[in-house]
Amino acid sequence: DIQMTQSPSSLSASVGDRVTITCRASQSISNYLNWYQQKPGKAPKFLIYDVSNLQSGVPSRFSGSGSGTDFTLTISCLQPEDSATYYCQQGYSTPLTFGGGTKVEIK
Amino acid sequence: EVQLMESGGGLVQPGGSLRLSCAASGFSFITYDMHWVRQAAGEGLEWVSAIDTAGKTFYAGSVKGRFTISRENAKNSFYLQMNSLRAGDTAVYYCARGLGSKLDVWGKGTTVTVSS
Repeated sequence: DIQMTQSPSSLSASVGDRVTITCRASQSISNYLNWYQQKPGKAPKFLIYDVSNLQSGVPSRFSGSGSGTDFTLTISCLQPEDSATYYCQQGYSTPLTFGGGTKVEIK
Repeated sequence: EVQLMESGGGLVQPGGSLRLSCAASGFSFITYDMHWVRQAAGEGLEWVSAIDTAGKTFYAGSVKGRFTISRENAKNSFYLQMNSLRAGDTAVYYCARGLGSKLDVWGKGTTVTVSS
């Protein structure tokens, strides 16, 4: 199985800050990397697919980059509504696997 | 509106069985792969199973041989039959629509508790 490792596991930042979350795969997954946002008590929301493509309706302050094994999710100007846990997920092979999550808190 | 709605969760004893259902609406169900993902309390997301448009099935190692996924296109629904349940299966179970391996629409989840 492909292991997905996210860092940091949590972070605290101020409104307007630039935030970067890292996701590393245990082997190359090409560009089969997706990101999800989950708020407490809610289902995950699909954010970014194939590394860098924003799902419809996702604000442009979100972006993704990377290739092979190393990927990043960036929030360019953090907003209060971005407080959530973010998960990366590889779609290269089954079983699909998720990173452990990064909890983003607003200072 | 594109929607998924899970049902069938509840409390079951260890070793027991439960069948989850997911009803889809607002899209052409037969053209999508469908997935189950679970989340234990305070934990991350764990992919459980998927069924593609041809009916081919896929499972996580932790549930293989105990869980069975199926779909009924005429009813725009798919299912997860869970047998030999263990305490470790306790979680919120989400159904999700798959654009391949991209899970673009999720249900609100149904809670499964395995306890004596």
